[in-house]
Amino acid sequence: GAVVSQHPSWVICKSGTSVKIECRSLDFQATTMFWYRQFPKQSLMLMATSNEGSKATYEQGVEKDKFLINHASLTLSTLTVTSAHPEDSSFYICSASLARYEQYFGPGTRLTVT
Amino acid sequence: AQKVTQAQTEISVVEKEDVTLDCVYETRDTTYYLFWYKQPPSGELVFLIRRNSFDEQNEISGRYSWNFQKSTSSFNFTITASQVVDSAVYFCALSAPNTGNQFYFGTGTSLTVIP
Repeated sequence: GAVVSQHPSWVICKSGTSVKIECRSLDFQATTMFWYRQFPKQSLMLMATSNEGSKATYEQGVEKDKFLINHASLTLSTLTVTSAHPEDSSFYICSASLARYEQYFGPGTRLTVT
Repeated sequence: AQKVTQAQTEISVVEKEDVTLDCVYETRDTTYYLFWYKQPPSGELVFLIRRNSFDEQNEISGRYSWNFQKSTSSFNFTITASQVVDSAVYFCALSAPNTGNQFYFGTGTSLTVIP
């Protein structure tokens, strides 16, 4: 149980376009989802915390107008990278919270902006 | 503030050797949780263990063992008789209810097991 999926698993887009990444909790309802970004050979950095039905809370330094997060249901959160640039190329990982101390991570989405 | 330090950036061992990955954490909370994850080249995080702050018992799972010591704020991970499949990046992480249960990850230790 407690499976989290992400779609797509990888995506290549052109600079200036927008790309949407979906994060789904497949067999549980998650009131809170988290979005992380990981650059090569670096750790996971929290971008934002998303609660169902409310606005996401962004970490310092993360542009909320560039990284749009929507958590419309208890099983789905989306991250839209708007007007993507090559420096946005990264590995994006979501996680969904089942209980206070339990987070289940998705398999990640590798974004390449050309 | 929460902080996790993994001082070892890269480790190389020869197959069948034992290896210990260090993790030191900082928190002012009395209730917190510690985790270890494995990240193979595919990128997907693989959950290894979760420990709460009230449970200092060491744990063994097959070739894996964990040593939790609150006195030194450490949660070290040992792989016994390492295998090539153990090659990956390993992350230690901390979460606490007082900080919204978000995960604070260490910088990771890249382990290479040489056949």
